[in-house]
Amino acid sequence: GQQLNQSPQSMFIQEGEDVSMNCTSSSIFNTWLWYKQDPGEGPVLLIALYKAGELTSNGRLTAQFGITRKDSFLNISASIPSDVGIYFCAGRYSGAGSYQLTFGKGTKLSVIP
Amino acid sequence: DSGVTQTPKHLITATGQRVTLRCSPRSGDLSVYWYQQSLDQGLQFLIQYYNGEERAKGNILERFSAQQFPDLHSELNLSSLELGDSALYFCATSPGDYNEQFFGPGTRLTVL
Repeated sequence: GQQLNQSPQSMFIQEGEDVSMNCTSSSIFNTWLWYKQDPGEGPVLLIALYKAGELTSNGRLTAQFGITRKDSFLNISASIPSDVGIYFCAGRYSGAGSYQLTFGKGTKLSVIP
Repeated sequence: DSGVTQTPKHLITATGQRVTLRCSPRSGDLSVYWYQQSLDQGLQFLIQYYNGEERAKGNILERFSAQQFPDLHSELNLSSLELGDSALYFCATSPGDYNEQFFGPGTRLTVL
């Protein structure tokens, strides 16, 4: 099946710093989604990307669909304590009949006040 | 609030038992997906239903089964439970096959 590599696995940052994380796949994807999960809760959709090169923002969050269609990036600017959580990327393979999302293993973000 | 509801929130049971988890989709969503999330693991896709029909299967054990009813709610049945089945189980729903998926709050299953 398709593999997604998400990095970094975890990061500790100071409040106010910017954050970058990324996902790469072994296959071409036609959809990239970014989710945030708080402990014991369900993942919440942050940003959806559908076109190669697309750059989309949601408040302090910005995500990009890589030109090669094999990667995606999420940036968080001016981090605050409530940004703490696990961020998951998810991609949909562009092969015929492929509906399912493949999820990365997540980036655990800790923000030091 | 995603609009997706799951019950129960927590479930504690013993090995060998059988449990049923329930998911109610957002209004208008026809697709329901079930995922398992073990400790420090990512989300593992189990199965998808679309408008009452099984659409796709992932890493679902034979001891597990699901169904989607005419009112579009879905149930995930887990039988002959083992300690390793302890996990968070999420359902996600979407209007169709290629849309964003919206997750419910999950059911935490503990098998003792």
